[in-house]
Parts: sequence; C-alpha cells; structure tokens
Amino acid sequence: RKEVEQDPGPFNVPEGATVAFNCTYSNSASQSFFWYRQDCRKEPKLLMSVYSSGNEDGRFTAQLNRASQYISLLIRDSKLSDSATYLCVVFGNTGKLIFGQGTTLQVKP
Amino acid sequence: SAVISQKPSRDICQRGTSLTIQCQVDSQVTMMFWYRQQPGQSLTLIATANQGSEATYESGFVIDKFPISRPNLTFSTLTVSNMSPEDSSIYLCSGGGLALGNEQFFGPGTRLTVL
Repeated sequence: RKEVEQDPGPFNVPEGATVAFNCTYSNSASQSFFWYRQDCRKEPKLLMSVYSSGNEDGRFTAQLNRASQYISLLIRDSKLSDSATYLCVVFGNTGKLIFGQGTTLQVKP
Repeated sequence: SAVISQKPSRDICQRGTSLTIQCQVDSQVTMMFWYRQQPGQSLTLIATANQGSEATYESGFVIDKFPISRPNLTFSTLTVSNMSPEDSSIYLCSGGGLALGNEQFFGPGTRLTVL
C-alpha cells in the first residue's frame, strides 16, 4: 500500500463548478499535511497547509480527519487557471515529505 | 520563503556519461533534498543532502549512482553517474526547515534526456 494515495483523475469540470479531491495516508504518526499544486512542466508549489480544524483560503478549503487518516481539498467556483495537478503531501515523523501521485484537474470553458 | 535555482535547466546526454546538477538556495535552509519525477508520475525522494557529511539515500538509490555533495547550507550537487535511458527524468532540488515553517520550496527542475 502506498503511504499517500490519491485518485489520479483526470477530473474534467466546467468553469464555475465545485470539485473535491481526497487523499488517504497510512502513517498515523504523520505530523503535517499539505496540498501542493504543480503546473505542467513546472515545479510543485505550496497551495495550502491542512489543519485539524480545517482551513479556508478564498475558494479553497482543506480538511483533515486524523481518525480516518483522510485529507480533502475543495475548490469552489473553478477557474480555467485552476487546471493543474494537485499533490497531497504528508510530512512524516522521519522529517521527509511524502508525495501522493497527484490528481489532475482540467477546468473547461 | 526561499528561492531555489538549478542548473542546467535541461540537458541531453549520451549513455555512459555523467551529469552534475547544481542547486543554489538564496537563504540558509536546514534541509535539502533531491527528487526525481518521471513523466506522468509524482515525486520520488532520492536522498537527503546533509551538510558536510554523506547524503542519506532512500531505498533503491545508491551513492555510487547518485553521488551528492552539500558543502554548505545553501548549495548542493547531484551527479547522475553512468547514465542510461532509464535515468531520463526531471530532477528537482528542494529546501526547507523549521525557519520556513516546514514548507519545502522547489527548484525549477533539471530535465534530463539520456540517449
């Protein structure tokens, strides 16, 4: 079993739609959680950290369920510019980031 | 935040040769890492670059194939040795640490093609 699992998609949605990505992790000792965004042929960049209380940044909402070892990312009112690969990332007790395989989002006009 | 540069940005190499990739961070970071990302795949950690000592390699990666140096807190190199076409990939350097809130920043990557 992979340490971090995501549905690779692709998710094809129209502009304005709401889309949700899910991620599960296997190491219950994991300490921090992140969503990174990676555009085609570019390096990953931090989108947002994920906190137990849930956090929101504009159209983006991230949630963490430690009991179920589950992380989610919700994007509201999708824009064409949201098209990218979204990487679920877990910071483990080994001091290293563990990346999921990524979920590809295509927002269409 | 941290700004990370890598060079070369891309290269095309012959089988059996070696390539050294350089990574420079604009501020001191505690941790530096080297990743590989193959087409359509996520990032795979190659090793943690340790300042002044031998790198810590992940399973499946060895020092003879991927020697790494980190002479100071802002600079590291990764060498891909005795290359084969299977080494064609994007190699990414990253840096981070407590001072950066455990966020990791990535370099733009080096796109390597081995013929």
